Amino acid sequence: GAVVSQHPSRVICKSGTSVKIECRSLDFQATTMFWYRQFPKQSLMLMATSNEGSKATYEQGVEKDKFLINHASLTLSTLTVTSAHPEDSSFYICSASGGRAAGNSGANVLTFGAGSRLTVL
Amino acid sequence: TQLLEQSPQFLSIQEGENLTVYCNSSSVFSSLQWYRQEPGEGPVLLVTVVTGGEVKKLKRLTFQFGDARKDSSLHITAAQPGDTGLYLCAASNFGNEKLTFGTGTRLTIIP
Repeated sequence: GAVVSQHPSRVICKSGTSVKIECRSLDFQATTMFWYRQFPKQSLMLMATSNEGSKATYEQGVEKDKFLINHASLTLSTLTVTSAHPEDSSFYICSASGGRAAGNSGANVLTFGAGSRLTVL
Repeated sequence: TQLLEQSPQFLSIQEGENLTVYCNSSSVFSSLQWYRQEPGEGPVLLVTVVTGGEVKKLKRLTFQFGDARKDSSLHITAAQPGDTGLYLCAASNFGNEKLTFGTGTRLTIIP
């Protein structure tokens, strides 16, 4: 089955530093990847759509200069949280399009990574 | 922005009981998915429904897509502690891979 790997799974950093999170599709090529953030006890909120070889498309209210997304290859997208502050602490999850999931009905099926928990001190 | 409201937000029941979780919207979707997420992990796909009125069963879980493709329900029979988790519905439209997630239902099954 399709597998998406995220790294690191946990990261703690000081306020003002930048943190890079990687999202890799391990056994398939993903032309499109999505980045979400999830606050405690809340649902997933889409931050941006990452397309290989082009600029990311950000959702309304998401600062593109704050959350830099790079999708340089068909298997890797990165999210860099620049000048992180405590309010950026969250669970960041990526998903990738292009894998084959058992039991799907041909609809849009995404494979999700295990998430990266960012804590900014 | 398309909103998916889930109810209840929290549910805590005894092992062996039955339960139903609802996902409602005023918008029509081409497909709807249900996920389960455990703490510290990404969501895991349970099922995808695409046809209005469609019913799918996955062991003790029964999923239904509303006739008008605006709502869905998840019914769990004889709940077990292993069913504990955050249940999320998510929907998308034709030609768009973006998923809009529901508000979530946090389910706790008490042994």
